[in-house]
Amino acid sequence: DGGITQSPKYLFRKEGQNVTLSCEQNLNHDAMYWYRQDPGQGLRLIYYSQIVNDFQKGDIAEGYSVSREKKESFPLTVTSAQKNPTAFYLCASSPLGQGRSYSYNSPLHFGNGTRLTVT
Amino acid sequence: GESVGLHLPTLSVQEGDNSIINCAYSNSASDYFIWYKQESGKGPQFIIDIRSNMDKRQGQRVTVLLNKTVKHLSLQIAATQPGDSAVYFCARRGSQGNLIFGKGTKLSVKP
Repeated sequence: DGGITQSPKYLFRKEGQNVTLSCEQNLNHDAMYWYRQDPGQGLRLIYYSQIVNDFQKGDIAEGYSVSREKKESFPLTVTSAQKNPTAFYLCASSPLGQGRSYSYNSPLHFGNGTRLTVT
Repeated sequence: GESVGLHLPTLSVQEGDNSIINCAYSNSASDYFIWYKQESGKGPQFIIDIRSNMDKRQGQRVTVLLNKTVKHLSLQIAATQPGDSAVYFCARRGSQGNLIFGKGTKLSVKP
């Protein structure tokens, strides 16, 4: 089955520590995204990548970093600079159309998230 | 600015009734909209999408209506079942392929 795998499902860290969340997809999608979800809120975009070795900041990138060394993988690091890191983190992917424009008929596919708790 | 919002944060319906979840958007340039369903502890699951050149699109037990004049989007679920209980998000495609989400409506189905 093709899909997006996020690991671990639950993650606990002490304040001041960096932590890396894993996201792997076997859908052969070009684009990958990281969203953050807080209780009772919609999803907010942290970072996205449309191609290997390239990524862009989303709406709330401060305190986060990413890498895209492989098409299948888009790990997110939550650094100690992130003031409120406790949240539910969701990774997504989508194909891109010709000319690297996004495909209208291809919604984002989401993983099942990682719940990060920092104390 | 860009925003996608929901009219109601919660909706409670009787099993077997139809559900209607509403969404408003402010950016008139929006041309692609999606509805997602999110169950507790899981990622959003795609339900149905619609492009701006359409007014209506139907899936299995679901219908999405788009009114571009008043910038309003709705999701209709026919014969609502307990398994439909979840949070429903509308979203529109941003200029970089990302999705811009509303805050969601929690649907509760009473047996």
